[in-house]
Parts: sequence; C-alpha cells; structure tokens
Amino acid sequence: AAGVIQSPRHLIKEKRETATLKCYPIPRHDTVYWYQQGPGQDPQFLISFYEKMQSDKGSIPDRFSAQQFSDYHSELNMSSLELGDSALYFCASSGRQGTYEQYFGPGTRLTVT
Amino acid sequence: AQSVTQPDIHITVSEGASLELRCNYSYGATPYLFWYVQSPGQGLQLLLKYFSGDTLVQGIKGFEAEFKRSQSSFNLRKPSVHWSDAAEYFCAVGAVRGQNFVFGPGTRLSVLP
Repeated sequence: AAGVIQSPRHLIKEKRETATLKCYPIPRHDTVYWYQQGPGQDPQFLISFYEKMQSDKGSIPDRFSAQQFSDYHSELNMSSLELGDSALYFCASSGRQGTYEQYFGPGTRLTVT
Repeated sequence: AQSVTQPDIHITVSEGASLELRCNYSYGATPYLFWYVQSPGQGLQLLLKYFSGDTLVQGIKGFEAEFKRSQSSFNLRKPSVHWSDAAEYFCAVGAVRGQNFVFGPGTRLSVLP
C-alpha cells in the first residue's frame, strides 16, 4: 500500500539558511500534519491542513511557514535556520472518512551546522 | 487541554516474557487513542487505535490494548515479546480530523535475549 512520502530524507544546512521540506500524503488523504521531533523527544505538533486550509496550529516558529497545494501535497518552509532546528520532521496524513488516524512518513532529518 | 502520560521511561523485558506499557490520558470528552511504535531513526508506525465500542482492541504484531474509562488509561500489552519489538512506543490522544495528536513522552523497550 502507498505510504506518506517525504523528501528529502536528509538535509544539511547552515545557520541562517532556508530549507523546504516536502510531503506527499497517501492517495485520497486530504489532511496533512507536520511534527518536529528532537533527539529523545516525542513528536511536537507544528501545523496541519485540511482541504488546503490551515486547520490547526501548534508550536510552529514564526520563521516557519507551510501550505497545502491543490494536489494535497504540503511543503514546510523554514527560514533563518538555527542550530536548535536540527531535528526529525515528520509529515502525517489522514483520510476523508472513518477514524482519522494519522499515518506517518519516514521523516526528514534536518541538521543545521 | 489534552495530555498524555507514560509513567515508564524505559522498560527491559526478556524475550518471551509478557509486556505491559502504561498510558494515561487527560481529555474532556471521549478520546481517540492510539499507540505508535518507532524504531531508531524511523517513522512512527500505527500499532492500534481505539475510538468506541469494544474496549479491548487488537493491533498488529500481536499487540492489544485495553481502554479503561474509569482509570483514564489505555495500556498496551503483548503476551510474548520478541527481540524485534525493541523500540520506542508512543501513546497518543486525538480529537477530530485536522487537529493535532498529543503524544506521550514515550517508553523505550529493551528486550534481553
């Protein structure tokens, strides 16, 4: 079965640079969620989109922005990167019907040097 | 606000032994409850979920969990642990589509041969 696709899988950036993470949800899923997981931490919710509109917002820094496109894929844009932004970034998606469980992608490991 | 606690940070069991991982939640209404498993550097895989109905739910890899409303608990169990079960386990509570999950801090499971 198709899963959530995230790209790139690994990304190395320097401080103050920008980064763009991409997420392709499971086909026919219309809701996308972004999470940040620091080392040894549980995933922290950043932001979510339902039908291309922002539906919930968590602890997302002002330096970050995200959107969901007409094909339901989503991009997380991160600017003025800081060392503390180094983390695993997960995207998850959920479907139109049923129980709304979230299916997670493999994550993008961002390292800021 | 929702919250999830997992009292055990780290549990070690012998292969073949039974396992119970504890999860307690705080939520104003009937929650949607989930257990996810994460191997090092990997994404989160959904083990099982509870929404309503039978309070004992079966999941993948031989796991089950029991919802106890009176105790606000959703403990994960497995009768016989395999070495491949060594991983980080997260309990999560969700509400409605588009709203974030709140994850517990996780329990790291080690399995002795």
